[in-house]
Amino acid sequence: GAGVSQSPSNKVTEKGKDVELRCDPISGHTALYWYRQSLGQGLEFLIYFQGNSAPDKSGLPSDRFSAERTGGSVSTLTIQRTQQEDSAVYLCASSYLAGGPAKNIQYFGAGTRLSVL
Amino acid sequence: GQQLNQSPQSMFIQEGEDVSMNCTSSSIFNTWLWYKQDPGEGPVLLIALYKAGELTSNGRLTAQFGITRKDSFLNISASIPSDVGIYFCAGRKGGADGLTFGKGTHLIIQP
Repeated sequence: GAGVSQSPSNKVTEKGKDVELRCDPISGHTALYWYRQSLGQGLEFLIYFQGNSAPDKSGLPSDRFSAERTGGSVSTLTIQRTQQEDSAVYLCASSYLAGGPAKNIQYFGAGTRLSVL
Repeated sequence: GQQLNQSPQSMFIQEGEDVSMNCTSSSIFNTWLWYKQDPGEGPVLLIALYKAGELTSNGRLTAQFGITRKDSFLNISASIPSDVGIYFCAGRKGGADGLTFGKGTHLIIQP
């Protein structure tokens, strides 16, 4: 597709359940980023992938959060044993990491709104 | 995690007025970015700044990268109804790093 695609757009789950959120980056983009946006807040960096490896996982809030990327394309963010404080919009961005900083513009998807009841 | 100090939190203005917002940080960033987010959408890049002191315009928008590399501002001239939304500043330290965001400035245009 033309832009970053995320699915589902909305997810309602019960406390304690696991959830998987999916991100399809822009075709050809080598880097992929996950962010979390709580109500009324800015975006909080979670993790980024360069190809299939994750050089920076420093933003993952706990070991209940994990992410993987396969084939240098699609990424999945998994939250295990969800808690109410996990409720937020989870945003994915991708960029083309070559040619210097001017090329590394992150383009965002519309996000997945997660509600944990 | 760290967030940038963005102000004001919200602005109520009349159509046609100019708008100014800014971001400060206690640490240095090598790239400053300004994004706009509409309801239900992801942020969209407005302006990117790569050098300390750089002043860049994009139509009615003007942004500057502070000399100390710890601050940036965004100005919008002659506001129009479609300028309504939430504006975020973001900083990046390394070329591939994740972005550090401010909490946003909510721009509301009164009829």
